Parts: sequence; C-alpha cells; structure tokens
Amino acid sequence: IQMTQSPSSLSASVGDRVTITCRASQTISSYLNWYQQKPGKAPELLIHTASILQSGVPSRFSGSGSGTDFTLTINNVQPEDFATYFCQQSYRFPLYTFGPGTKVEVK
Amino acid sequence: QVHLRESGPGLVKPSQTLSLTCTVSGGSISNGGFYWTWIRQRPGKGLEWMGYIYKTGSTYYNPSLKSRLIFSLDTSKNQFSLNLGSVTAADTGTYYCARGTEWQRTFDHWGQGTLVAVSS
Repeated sequence: IQMTQSPSSLSASVGDRVTITCRASQTISSYLNWYQQKPGKAPELLIHTASILQSGVPSRFSGSGSGTDFTLTINNVQPEDFATYFCQQSYRFPLYTFGPGTKVEVK
Repeated sequence: QVHLRESGPGLVKPSQTLSLTCTVSGGSISNGGFYWTWIRQRPGKGLEWMGYIYKTGSTYYNPSLKSRLIFSLDTSKNQFSLNLGSVTAADTGTYYCARGTEWQRTFDHWGQGTLVAVSS
C-alpha cells in the first residue's frame, strides 16, 4: 500500500491552523497513524486509528478521515510543533508503510 | 516507561554485515502483544519498515530485504538484534528499533536511532 502526503512542506506562523493530507493507494479503513519527528530525534506517535490522540498529546492536534483520505490538523500552532509529520498505514499487517513526510516550517 | 536503545558500529564496509542491537528497559520483550521492530530512514527515502521479531522468535521481514536480513532475540538480556548482510552505500542511514503494538497497530516507543554509514 503506497502512502502519499501533501504538501511536502509548508510554512506557518505561531497561532496558525495547519492541515496536512495523507492518501492511501487503496482503502485502509481507519488504520492510519500520525507521527511527529523533530531533527535528530526518533518519530513520536501522535494519533492512531485516524483520530485517537495518543496519551499526552496536546488537544490542538486532531486527525480525521477514513478509506483512502486522511487529514492531520494542528490548531494554534506552537513553536514546538515545527517538525516533520508522517502518516503510516496499519491496515496490511505487518507490511506497514509510511508516507514521505510533511515538513512544517516557520514562516 | 519503556525505553529502547540501539547500539552498534557507526561505520560498516561495503559487502560486510551490519549488526545492531536494541536493548529494552522498563518492560520485558517476552510480554505478549508487542512486535519488536526495526525501521530505517535513509537520506531522501523516508521511513522504511524492515521487519519484526516476536517474543517466540518468529520473524517477518520486508520482502525487499528478506534475502539479506536476520533478526534474533536474547530474552536473558532483554535485547533483540539485526544483521543485514552484503551492505552497500544504499544501506546508509539511521536505524531505529521500535515497539510495535498488536492492539493499536502502532509503533508507540522508539529508540533514539543510530546512524550507520556504509563506506570503505
């Protein structure tokens, strides 16, 4: 299953609302996870099953979608949110695949 | 809290074997419901799931790497390991070990990653 993300990068200011899109090459129901990766660090799980926030993740993050199209939204972007975000399908166990990433940069 | 930490050489010569170990603390790799996973991130290539080893020692490898990959488990040391044979420069990148969860189908804990360069 191929995963695509758009845009590949975006610029935002603190306080903005940011939306990232992820698309699967076939239906994956709600088996979609989102990760955040900061430079030099490992990815961290943000959202699983398309819309469920991992424990400890701020509520300004939200996820939606099902089937083939998904979105990650960050409301009121904070300085610590500038990072790269990856989606990952968990439909086809164990051949999980990741999207190419979306880099959120400071405008 | 579960922690994972990769260890191994940062430089490997072409055609040789890349060997890494992941040490798990804060939880036993013998507990059910988890898949002990290797993921790599090569420059310009994104995140690539390499495979997993389960507590029983059963493994599943990414078909693209299967012919060169061997995973093993040492429950006495709470470690699991990766051996990737016949490496080339294309195998240069950061290698992560991670805990895959059966019920969430996520990678909920990751090591900090270790950068491996393949060069003579």
